Amino acid sequence: QKEVEQNSGPLSVPEGAIASLNCTYSDRGSQSFFWYRQYSGKSPELIMSIYSNGDKEDGRFTAQLNKASQYVSLLIRDSQPSDSATYLCAVNRGSGNTGKLIFGQGTTLQVKP
Amino acid sequence: ETGVTQTPRHLVMGMTNKKSLKCEQHLGHNAMYWYKQSAKKPLELMFVYSLEERVENNSVPSRFSPECPNSSHLFLHLHTLQPEDSALYLCASSPNAAFNYGYTFGSGTRLTVV
Repeated sequence: QKEVEQNSGPLSVPEGAIASLNCTYSDRGSQSFFWYRQYSGKSPELIMSIYSNGDKEDGRFTAQLNKASQYVSLLIRDSQPSDSATYLCAVNRGSGNTGKLIFGQGTTLQVKP
Repeated sequence: ETGVTQTPRHLVMGMTNKKSLKCEQHLGHNAMYWYKQSAKKPLELMFVYSLEERVENNSVPSRFSPECPNSSHLFLHLHTLQPEDSALYLCASSPNAAFNYGYTFGSGTRLTVV
């Protein structure tokens, strides 16, 4: 079992729709969860972080965390063509001086005008 | 200059060459990381440095040798690489390695081994 699993996609949505990206993780001790956006040929960019169960909203983005189900998701409302990118889910593993982020394979999102 | 800067942006090297990748962060962070990103694969953690001390070596072959002279600079020394080492090498930094606030990534070095 992979530590962090994402559907590689592509996920295709029409402009203006809600895009839903999902991620599961295996380490029950994980405390920090992140979503990164990576445009083709570019480096990952942090867009959301979430640390406690429930929803966290930031503009058009909502991160959702359910630690009991080991599940984290990202909703993008009013999707725009500029949102077309690969979205990486990252989960903190370890503690103390050796905490580190483990990444999923990423989900490619295509927003069609 | 702000953020995390990596040089060079692109590198082509032969299998017998020795080269180094450089990373510099201007964020006052105490932890720095090297990741490898290959096509169709997740980001792979290679090394973690916290306050210039290596705290993680993720079973990386010895042909990759990291160096962290201070908390702002990180190097990855390369020698006798293989074609399968061709990838995007990403440097990242974070305020500390103990509690993760998320990383800031550099633009990466696209490495091609011929």
